[in-house]
Amino acid sequence: AQSVSQHNHHVILSEAASLELGCNYSYGGTVNLFWYVQYPGQHLQLLLKYFSGDPLVKGIKGFEAEFIKSKFSFNLRKPSVQWSDTAEYFCAVNVASGGYQKVTFGIGTKLQVIP
Amino acid sequence: DTAVSQTPKYLVTQMGNDKSIKCEQNLGHDTMYWYKQDSKKFLKIMFSYNNKELIINETVPNRFSPKSPDKAHLNLHINSLELGDSAVYFCASSQREHYNEQFFGPGTRLTVL
Repeated sequence: AQSVSQHNHHVILSEAASLELGCNYSYGGTVNLFWYVQYPGQHLQLLLKYFSGDPLVKGIKGFEAEFIKSKFSFNLRKPSVQWSDTAEYFCAVNVASGGYQKVTFGIGTKLQVIP
Repeated sequence: DTAVSQTPKYLVTQMGNDKSIKCEQNLGHDTMYWYKQDSKKFLKIMFSYNNKELIINETVPNRFSPKSPDKAHLNLHINSLELGDSAVYFCASSQREHYNEQFFGPGTRLTVL
């Protein structure tokens, strides 16, 4: 069964600092990758997604992620964070194999941006 | 014009009671889910239905029973509520052809006293 690891559980940054959140998955076949964001008191919303093609994916609000197949990674980056980026970030993997699909979420990373 | 809606938004009840949470999606998706998010924000999938058929049933107490009357609805009924059931429950939907990109509802905050 596939699994998703998010190594940074709680990240604290000052505004304008650069961000990189790690995400690794364990599955040897074809995957579709997602990052979701959950702002305080809200539901999860899609930040960006990778299905195929260019491994560098750009999402909303200046976020991007790079799929590195050899490292089974899909790290999230932003060059300069803002206070409004304070939220919980979830990496997710969709595996499709023989007509069966399953989405698995990581445990989440709490990002706190200090003004 | 909400894509995935849940009712109620808040639910406060006593231990031992039975309660239901309703979910509806108007996106035309073929798959719906229930997730439980605990106080540490850990998101755990509970159930998944594809075209009204149960396809994922994770290790969840049988006090939890999902019901999907049609593709657009997935309700969650909980019997004999326990303190540990307190959490935020999210409904979500997706389309298998779109790689199961999840669309989440606003959540139902359940508090068991």
